Amino acid sequence: DQQVKQNSPSLSVQEGRISILNCDYTNSMFDYFLWYKKYPAEGPTFLISISSIKDKNEDGRFTVFLNKSAKHLSLHIVPSQPGDSAVYFCAASEANSKLTFGKGITLSVRP
Amino acid sequence: GAGVSQSPSNKVTEKGKDVELRCDPISGHTALYWYRQSLGQGLEFLIYFQGNSAPDKSGLPSDRFSAERTGGSVSTLTIQRTQQEDSAVYLCASSPTGREAFFGQGTRLTVV
Repeated sequence: DQQVKQNSPSLSVQEGRISILNCDYTNSMFDYFLWYKKYPAEGPTFLISISSIKDKNEDGRFTVFLNKSAKHLSLHIVPSQPGDSAVYFCAASEANSKLTFGKGITLSVRP
Repeated sequence: GAGVSQSPSNKVTEKGKDVELRCDPISGHTALYWYRQSLGQGLEFLIYFQGNSAPDKSGLPSDRFSAERTGGSVSTLTIQRTQQEDSAVYLCASSPTGREAFFGQGTRLTVV
């Protein structure tokens, strides 16, 4: 039972354009959502998070949007840069509980 | 400020042997997690420690897997009688709040 789903395995965008990474969840008890970035042979790096009491959180080029009614969140990266090429994981949690991760999406930013 | 430290970074072991993987979390972080990532797969939850609460062991795949967290700090993940399907990158993370988790570099375990 996959509670966090990233349905697209990969995304390719042109440098300078917007990257939109999507994530869906099924557990209505999730109240905190996170995005991680992972390069090969490294551990995941925390990018940005959002609480369920908000619908948007922005940090520089990264913005996360949360649509609770649709149980959907997205990560927008603008402008995309070649160094953003990595695997991106969506994660969700309930209070004082484990993080549940999606399977990840590989983003490629073409110069 | 040191991040999460895991050792060893790589471990090759023979099938049937026991292995111990170590995690030193960020000082003061009360929550500690173990995950693993098999080749081409996502992050699979193994175990979660939060303060003095009973750990959430629901992700441990079999009774060959166990983990301890001593003194609320260092954690050791032990795999007994390793099998080839145990080959993966084992990732440890810690968190000050039980929300944002910060990962170590992982231990790549290869069972031959």
